[in-house]
Amino acid sequence: DARVTQTPRHKVTEMGQEVTMRCQPILGHNTVFWYRQTMMQGLELLAYFRNRAPLDDSGMPKDRFSAEMPDATLATLKIQPSEPRDSAVYFCASGLVLGRDSYEQYFGPGTRLTVT
Amino acid sequence: GENVEQHPSTLSVQEGDSAVIKCTYSDSASNYFPWYKQELGKRPQLIIDIRSNVGEKKDQRIAVTLNKTAKHFSLHITETQPEDSAVYFCAARGDTGRRALTFGSGTRLQVQP
Repeated sequence: DARVTQTPRHKVTEMGQEVTMRCQPILGHNTVFWYRQTMMQGLELLAYFRNRAPLDDSGMPKDRFSAEMPDATLATLKIQPSEPRDSAVYFCASGLVLGRDSYEQYFGPGTRLTVT
Repeated sequence: GENVEQHPSTLSVQEGDSAVIKCTYSDSASNYFPWYKQELGKRPQLIIDIRSNVGEKKDQRIAVTLNKTAKHFSLHITETQPEDSAVYFCAARGDTGRRALTFGSGTRLQVQP
Protein backbone atom coordinates (compact mmCIF):
# COMPACT_ATOMS: atom_id res chain seq x y z
CA ASP A 1 0.00 0.00 0.00
CA ALA A 2 2.04 2.93 -1.32
CA ARG A 3 1.72 6.14 0.66
CA VAL A 4 3.08 9.65 0.65
CA THR A 5 5.44 10.18 3.58
CA GLN A 6 6.35 13.42 5.32
CA THR A 7 8.93 14.41 7.91
CA PRO A 8 8.91 15.69 10.54
CA ARG A 9 5.39 14.95 11.76
CA HIS A 10 5.60 17.68 14.37
CA LYS A 11 7.83 20.73 14.63
CA VAL A 12 7.94 23.40 17.30
CA THR A 13 10.27 26.29 16.67
CA GLU A 14 10.85 29.87 17.68
CA MET A 15 10.03 32.82 15.51
CA GLY A 16 12.86 33.65 13.14
CA GLN A 17 14.16 30.10 12.84
CA GLU A 18 14.38 28.19 9.58
CA VAL A 19 12.00 25.27 9.07
CA THR A 20 12.42 22.57 6.45
CA MET A 21 9.67 20.04 5.72
CA ARG A 22 10.24 17.00 3.53
CA CYS A 23 7.97 14.83 1.43
CA GLN A 24 8.45 11.57 -0.39
CA PRO A 25 5.79 11.15 -3.08
CA ILE A 26 4.37 7.82 -4.14
CA LEU A 27 6.77 6.08 -6.51
CA GLY A 28 5.73 6.71 -10.09
CA HIS A 29 3.72 9.84 -9.36
CA ASN A 30 4.90 12.84 -11.36
CA THR A 31 3.02 15.66 -9.63
CA VAL A 32 3.62 16.91 -6.10
CA PHE A 33 1.53 19.46 -4.22
CA TRP A 34 2.09 21.40 -1.01
CA TYR A 35 -0.97 22.52 0.97
CA ARG A 36 -1.38 24.42 4.20
CA GLN A 37 -4.35 23.76 6.45
CA THR A 38 -5.61 26.11 9.13
CA MET A 39 -8.96 26.42 10.82
CA MET A 40 -9.52 29.84 9.29
CA GLN A 41 -8.33 29.22 5.72
CA GLY A 42 -9.05 25.56 5.16
CA LEU A 43 -6.85 23.78 2.61
CA GLU A 44 -4.71 26.26 0.67
CA LEU A 45 -2.50 25.27 -2.24
CA LEU A 46 0.99 26.68 -1.78
CA ALA A 47 2.88 25.17 -4.72
CA TYR A 48 3.00 22.26 -7.07
CA PHE A 49 5.48 20.50 -9.29
CA ARG A 50 5.21 18.27 -12.31
CA ASN A 51 8.18 16.14 -13.30
CA ARG A 52 10.13 18.13 -10.67
CA ALA A 53 9.48 21.48 -12.41
CA PRO A 54 7.56 24.12 -10.44
CA LEU A 55 4.25 24.84 -12.17
CA ASP A 56 2.52 27.14 -9.74
CA ASP A 57 3.70 28.73 -6.53
CA SER A 58 1.33 31.67 -6.56
CA GLY A 59 -0.16 30.62 -3.22
CA MET A 60 3.16 30.84 -1.45
CA PRO A 61 4.55 33.94 0.32
CA LYS A 62 7.64 34.42 -1.81
CA ASP A 63 9.66 36.39 0.66
CA ARG A 64 9.93 33.59 3.21
CA PHE A 65 8.75 30.35 1.61
CA SER A 66 10.56 28.25 -0.97
CA ALA A 67 9.76 24.86 -2.46
CA GLU A 68 12.05 22.53 -4.38
CA MET A 69 12.26 19.00 -5.75
CA PRO A 70 15.93 18.03 -5.74
CA ASP A 71 14.99 14.63 -7.12
CA ALA A 72 11.93 12.58 -7.99
CA THR A 73 11.75 11.05 -4.51
CA LEU A 74 12.05 14.22 -2.45
CA ALA A 75 10.16 17.50 -2.25
CA THR A 76 11.02 20.18 0.29
CA LEU A 77 9.22 23.20 1.67
CA LYS A 78 11.30 25.72 3.55
CA ILE A 79 10.29 28.70 5.64
CA GLN A 80 12.94 31.27 6.51
CA PRO A 81 12.42 33.14 8.75
CA SER A 82 9.38 31.52 10.35
CA GLU A 83 6.64 33.57 11.98
CA PRO A 84 3.83 32.64 14.40
CA ARG A 85 1.25 33.07 11.61
CA ASP A 86 2.93 30.17 9.78
CA SER A 87 1.63 27.79 12.44
CA ALA A 88 -0.50 25.25 10.58
CA VAL A 89 -0.50 21.70 9.26
CA TYR A 90 1.42 21.38 6.02
CA PHE A 91 0.36 18.56 3.73
CA CYS A 92 2.18 17.15 0.78
CA ALA A 93 0.18 15.25 -1.84
CA SER A 94 1.17 13.40 -4.98
CA GLY A 95 -0.62 12.31 -8.11
CA LEU A 96 -0.13 11.18 -11.69
CA VAL A 97 -0.78 13.29 -14.77
CA LEU A 98 -0.30 11.73 -18.21
CA GLY A 99 -1.10 13.92 -21.16
CA ARG A 100 -4.68 15.06 -20.75
CA ASP A 101 -5.44 12.43 -18.12
CA SER A 102 -5.22 13.30 -14.46
CA TYR A 103 -5.51 10.66 -11.80
CA GLU A 104 -6.21 10.56 -8.09
CA GLN A 105 -4.27 12.68 -5.64
CA TYR A 106 -3.13 11.25 -2.31
CA PHE A 107 -2.11 13.13 0.80
CA GLY A 108 0.73 12.55 3.21
CA PRO A 109 0.20 12.56 6.99
CA GLY A 110 1.16 16.23 7.32
CA THR A 111 3.66 18.23 9.36
CA ARG A 112 2.15 20.10 12.28
CA LEU A 113 4.19 23.29 12.65
CA THR A 114 4.02 25.52 15.69
CA VAL A 115 5.99 28.75 15.68
CA THR A 116 6.23 30.48 19.05
CA GLY B 1 -9.61 30.77 -11.30
CA GLU B 2 -11.83 28.07 -9.89
CA ASN B 3 -13.97 28.77 -6.84
CA VAL B 4 -15.65 25.95 -4.92
CA GLU B 5 -18.34 26.60 -2.34
CA GLN B 6 -19.48 23.91 0.06
CA HIS B 7 -22.58 23.67 2.26
CA PRO B 8 -23.40 23.13 5.02
CA SER B 9 -20.38 23.88 7.17
CA THR B 10 -21.69 21.60 9.92
CA LEU B 11 -24.17 18.76 9.77
CA SER B 12 -25.52 16.63 12.58
CA VAL B 13 -27.58 13.52 11.87
CA GLN B 14 -28.83 10.53 13.81
CA GLU B 15 -27.21 7.18 13.21
CA GLY B 16 -28.96 5.45 10.34
CA ASP B 17 -30.13 8.66 8.69
CA SER B 18 -28.79 9.99 5.39
CA ALA B 19 -26.42 12.94 5.02
CA VAL B 20 -26.07 15.17 1.99
CA ILE B 21 -23.29 17.68 1.36
CA LYS B 22 -23.44 20.03 -1.60
CA CYS B 23 -20.79 21.89 -3.57
CA THR B 24 -20.87 24.36 -6.43
CA TYR B 25 -18.01 25.29 -8.71
CA SER B 26 -17.40 28.24 -10.99
CA ASP B 27 -15.14 26.98 -13.80
CA SER B 28 -17.14 25.16 -16.47
CA ALA B 29 -13.89 23.56 -17.68
CA SER B 30 -13.53 21.59 -14.44
CA ASN B 31 -14.10 17.91 -15.07
CA TYR B 32 -12.85 15.99 -12.04
CA PHE B 33 -14.58 16.14 -8.66
CA PRO B 34 -13.18 14.17 -5.71
CA TRP B 35 -14.40 13.99 -2.15
CA TYR B 36 -12.06 13.63 0.80
CA LYS B 37 -12.77 12.57 4.36
CA GLN B 38 -10.55 13.90 7.12
CA GLU B 39 -10.72 12.49 10.63
CA LEU B 40 -9.34 14.52 13.50
CA GLY B 41 -5.56 14.72 13.32
CA LYS B 42 -5.38 12.61 10.18
CA ARG B 43 -4.68 13.20 6.51
CA PRO B 44 -7.50 13.86 4.01
CA GLN B 45 -8.39 10.55 2.40
CA LEU B 46 -10.01 10.14 -0.98
CA ILE B 47 -13.36 8.38 -0.56
CA ILE B 48 -15.00 8.79 -3.97
CA ASP B 49 -14.60 10.81 -7.13
CA ILE B 50 -16.52 11.52 -10.30
CA ARG B 51 -15.56 12.73 -13.75
CA SER B 52 -17.62 14.99 -15.94
CA ASN B 53 -18.73 12.27 -18.32
CA VAL B 54 -20.65 10.56 -15.51
CA GLY B 55 -23.74 11.82 -13.69
CA GLU B 56 -23.65 9.54 -10.68
CA LYS B 57 -21.31 7.12 -8.99
CA LYS B 58 -21.90 4.82 -6.03
CA ASP B 59 -19.65 2.90 -3.68
CA GLN B 60 -21.55 1.00 -0.99
CA ARG B 61 -23.12 3.63 1.29
CA ILE B 62 -21.68 6.66 -0.44
CA ALA B 63 -22.66 8.21 -3.76
CA VAL B 64 -21.80 11.33 -5.65
CA THR B 65 -23.97 13.12 -8.19
CA LEU B 66 -22.88 15.74 -10.70
CA ASN B 67 -24.95 18.32 -12.55
CA LYS B 68 -22.64 19.97 -15.08
CA THR B 69 -25.27 22.35 -16.35
CA ALA B 70 -25.87 23.78 -12.90
CA LYS B 71 -22.21 23.32 -11.90
CA HIS B 72 -22.93 21.53 -8.69
CA PHE B 73 -22.14 18.14 -7.21
CA SER B 74 -23.20 16.40 -4.04
CA LEU B 75 -22.08 13.68 -1.66
CA HIS B 76 -24.72 11.34 -0.29
CA ILE B 77 -24.07 9.04 2.66
CA THR B 78 -26.81 6.58 3.52
CA GLU B 79 -27.28 4.59 6.73
CA THR B 80 -24.80 6.80 8.54
CA GLN B 81 -22.65 5.33 11.30
CA PRO B 82 -20.68 7.03 14.09
CA GLU B 83 -17.43 6.28 12.24
CA ASP B 84 -18.66 8.50 9.39
CA SER B 85 -18.13 11.47 11.72
CA ALA B 86 -15.37 13.59 10.16
CA VAL B 87 -14.78 16.66 8.02
CA TYR B 88 -15.61 16.15 4.37
CA PHE B 89 -14.05 18.24 1.60
CA CYS B 90 -15.19 18.51 -1.99
CA ALA B 91 -12.81 19.63 -4.72
CA ALA B 92 -12.76 20.43 -8.42
CA ARG B 93 -10.04 20.25 -11.06
CA GLY B 94 -9.74 21.17 -14.72
CA ASP B 95 -8.28 18.90 -17.36
CA THR B 96 -5.85 21.39 -18.86
CA GLY B 97 -3.58 24.09 -17.56
CA ARG B 98 -3.79 24.25 -13.83
CA ARG B 99 -4.39 20.69 -12.69
CA ALA B 100 -4.32 21.37 -8.97
CA LEU B 101 -7.46 20.75 -6.96
CA THR B 102 -9.47 23.65 -5.59
CA PHE B 103 -11.07 22.63 -2.31
CA GLY B 104 -14.31 23.60 -0.67
CA SER B 105 -14.24 24.88 2.90
CA GLY B 106 -15.29 21.56 4.43
CA THR B 107 -18.33 20.12 6.20
CA ARG B 108 -18.07 18.79 9.73
CA LEU B 109 -20.39 15.78 9.92
CA GLN B 110 -21.41 14.50 13.32
CA VAL B 111 -23.33 11.23 13.49
CA GLN B 112 -25.14 10.88 16.79
CA PRO B 113 -25.43 7.29 18.05
